Amino acid sequence: GEDVEQSLFLSVREGDSSVINCTYTDSSSTYLYWYKQEPGAGLQLLTYIFSNMDMKQDQRLTVLLNKKDKHLSLRIADTQTGDSAIYFCAENGAGSYQLTFGKGTKLSVIP
Amino acid sequence: GEEVAQTPKHLVRGEGQKAKLYCAPIKGHSYVFWYQQVLKNEFKFLISFQNENVFDETGMPKERFSAKCLPNSPCSLEIQATKLEDSAVYFCASSSLGTDTQYFGPGTRLTVL
Repeated sequence: GEDVEQSLFLSVREGDSSVINCTYTDSSSTYLYWYKQEPGAGLQLLTYIFSNMDMKQDQRLTVLLNKKDKHLSLRIADTQTGDSAIYFCAENGAGSYQLTFGKGTKLSVIP
Repeated sequence: GEEVAQTPKHLVRGEGQKAKLYCAPIKGHSYVFWYQQVLKNEFKFLISFQNENVFDETGMPKERFSAKCLPNSPCSLEIQATKLEDSAVYFCASSSLGTDTQYFGPGTRLTVL
């Protein structure tokens, strides 16, 4: 079945950039998503990218998609302590509306 | 409403008891999805609806789990005879189209003792 992989932990200093990486196996993915989950909270949609795009920028967030390598990344510029959370990569394959999630990357921001 | 609403926020049940969770999708959204998040942050898809019709139930356990989306009522997920391994956070999401962005509710944390 489809699989989405992420590294589990990332630690950065406040003000630096964070890059969270994700790989997926489903070549028919139509959309790829980044969600943020703070402790005890729900999932907040951060951004998404359509599979025929290779980059999307939204304020401090930049998403890069390498469809050939099935690699997705999320860059957070000027990382703040409020960015500390777990970040989930997710995809939905063509013909399948359900989302397949990675296990999440826990981002810790050091003041 | 403008957000997906889920109730209750927390639910505690003794093993063998019934648990019922509710979800109100964003107004105008036709699709509702249920996911289970267990320890270690793993998400498992359970079931989806298109309006009141089951769209995809490939993730639903064959026994004890059932779900409904009836007109003019919140959607519900029911677990008969809960087991310890049912302890998880259950998230509901809705989207306007099946392929569209899914917006998640705050989740219901089910603890089975």
